[in-house]
Amino acid sequence: EAQVTQNPRYLITVTGKKLTVTCSQNMNHEYMSWYRQDPGLGLRQIYYSMNVEVTDKGDVPEGYKVSRKEKRNFPLILESPSPNQTSLYFCASSPFGGGRNYGYTFGSGTRLTVV
Amino acid sequence: KQEVTQIPAALSVPEGENLVLNCSFTDSAIYNLQWFRQDPGKGLTSLLLIQSSQREQTSGRLNASLDKSSGRSTLYIAASQPGDSATYLCAVEGARMLTFGGGTRLMVKP
Repeated sequence: EAQVTQNPRYLITVTGKKLTVTCSQNMNHEYMSWYRQDPGLGLRQIYYSMNVEVTDKGDVPEGYKVSRKEKRNFPLILESPSPNQTSLYFCASSPFGGGRNYGYTFGSGTRLTVV
Repeated sequence: KQEVTQIPAALSVPEGENLVLNCSFTDSAIYNLQWFRQDPGKGLTSLLLIQSSQREQTSGRLNASLDKSSGRSTLYIAASQPGDSATYLCAVEGARMLTFGGGTRLMVKP
């Protein structure tokens, strides 16, 4: 089944303790991105990647890092999490070529709480 | 910068009604427009994708239209059911990202 898989689904951590949220897609998509969703602010893009070793900032990149060493994986790294990073996080992928005819596929989300 | 607005923000209707959700965007230079459904605390399920060259798409009781020149899209839901209760999100794809509207929270009462 074609899908985007995020892990973990739920995570509670303490301020300052480094964490990684993994994202993997099995559709051979070039493009991957991370979004966070907050009440009243909607979905905002954190980082995106056009292909392996090509990443760039979205609208809210502060406090986050990403890497794209393989086409299928796009982990989100919080080096020193803070309470304002408590949010619902989504990973998404899309085939960047092909005339943009296929839209985006989203993972099931990771609910992160930083205390 | 692209801005996407959805009206209304919330909608409550009795079961069986036909309804229209609206989405507007400020920059018509888009690749496509996608409608998603989100249940509380859950992920995003893609409902319909309209490419920039298309005018509408249909899937079951759902019909989405796109008027790129005026920056508008509508999602029409026929014969609404309680199971349709969810938040509906409209998103437009630009050069590097999807930009989302704030969503319409729909409640269909039995």
